[in-house]
Amino acid sequence: EAGVAQSPRYKIIEKRQSVAFWCNPISGHATLYWYQQILGQGPKLLIQFQNNGVVDDSQLPKDRFSAERLKGVDSTLKIQPAKLEDSAVYLCASSLRGDSSYNEQFFGPGTRLTVL
Amino acid sequence: AQSVTQLDSQVPVFEEAPVELRCNYSSSVSVYLFWYVQYPNQGLQLLLKYLSGSTLVESINGFEAEFNKSQTSFHLRKPSVHISDTAEYFCAVSVISSGDKLTFGTGTRLAVRP
Repeated sequence: EAGVAQSPRYKIIEKRQSVAFWCNPISGHATLYWYQQILGQGPKLLIQFQNNGVVDDSQLPKDRFSAERLKGVDSTLKIQPAKLEDSAVYLCASSLRGDSSYNEQFFGPGTRLTVL
Repeated sequence: AQSVTQLDSQVPVFEEAPVELRCNYSSSVSVYLFWYVQYPNQGLQLLLKYLSGSTLVESINGFEAEFNKSQTSFHLRKPSVHISDTAEYFCAVSVISSGDKLTFGTGTRLAVRP
């Protein structure tokens, strides 16, 4: 079974530029997550989708970050414009469903963003 | 809200020595507990989890963790480490009945030396 795919793996941009990350979850997984992992910190949830609807985006900086999952499968995360403090690894994860029972999250390899 | 504390940012240890990575959590409601491992340039992998039942849980590669409710701890142990165990280890919690939202600690880097 294929895992969670992310691209690109690495991205270097200058501040105030825009950037987009792509995630393809495990086939059949209804729930998709985007995490931000700043160097020296644990991953922090940015947004959670259930199919193509947003379940939780309370920690997403909506003035510059946006995310979509139009057909309930692939997802893109965009930053516009980027700031120096956005330098981090952006992790995508998926789970079978995000209901009250436990469902293991499977993580992709991440995209390492460097903002200069 | 939940929080996870991993006091040790780095733990150096010699190969074949025992190791303990500490994790304490804070929550006003019942939680599930997890340890994830992150090898260099790879994503997070679930190492082991506590959902219910026996408070001692084990992984397939020799790690174990014990849930201690009174001390709100979930420390990770291995009696004899290998070079290949060198990685970043994250403790995490999720609130029971709230789905799978994870709150992570800041991580502990385990550096195994020959």
